[in-house]
Amino acid sequence: EIVLTQSPGTLSLSPGERATLSCRASQSVSSSYLAWYQQKPGQAPRLLIYGASSRATGIPDRFSGSGSGTDFTLTINRLEPEDFAVYYCQQYGSSEYTFGQGTKLEIK
Amino acid sequence: EVQLAESGGGLVQPGGSLRLSCAASGFAFSSYAMSWVRQAPGKGLEWVSAISDSGGATYYAGSVKGRFTISRDNSKNTVYLQMTSLRAEDTAVYYCASGRIPAPLYNWFDPWGQGTLVTVSS
Repeated sequence: EIVLTQSPGTLSLSPGERATLSCRASQSVSSSYLAWYQQKPGQAPRLLIYGASSRATGIPDRFSGSGSGTDFTLTINRLEPEDFAVYYCQQYGSSEYTFGQGTKLEIK
Repeated sequence: EVQLAESGGGLVQPGGSLRLSCAASGFAFSSYAMSWVRQAPGKGLEWVSAISDSGGATYYAGSVKGRFTISRDNSKNTVYLQMTSLRAEDTAVYYCASGRIPAPLYNWFDPWGQGTLVTVSS
């Protein structure tokens, strides 16, 4: 099983700032099969990024993903009030999908 | 509008069984793999099971293998999760989610349903 470790656990920033979220895998993720999701309280997760760097339909271009192998990053430029939520990475390159434990992005 | 709607959750005693359903609409359901993902109260996401577009291939997380069974009825645009020998640690919101390719593996999830709560308690 590939273990994904997200850091930091909580990130406190102000609207307008840039957020950088990290996701590190215990072994290489095949073909950059890594996705990022956003989840707000009481809601289902929403896909942001797939294939490590491809934005999902309707996702603003202030969201970007990068990385390969074992190190991946989600960057959110110019934070908007609606961006404060929990973010999860997911690898789908093995026969047992796994998620990171999440990073909570909170308003400073 | 693309939509997934789960049902069938509720309170069940340890050792009991429950069947969840997820009805899809607004997209070509029979062309995509489907998965179930759960989230224990206040915790993160855990993938549970996946099924191919035709239903011919299925995969399970180690924590549920042998106890849960995923299936689908493409004529009804519905995927199911039969859960048996339920334990307290199975308590969670269960989401269904669509893959983006027919195969059950190598899929990211979009869209997701709103989830159904399963509580295992005496």
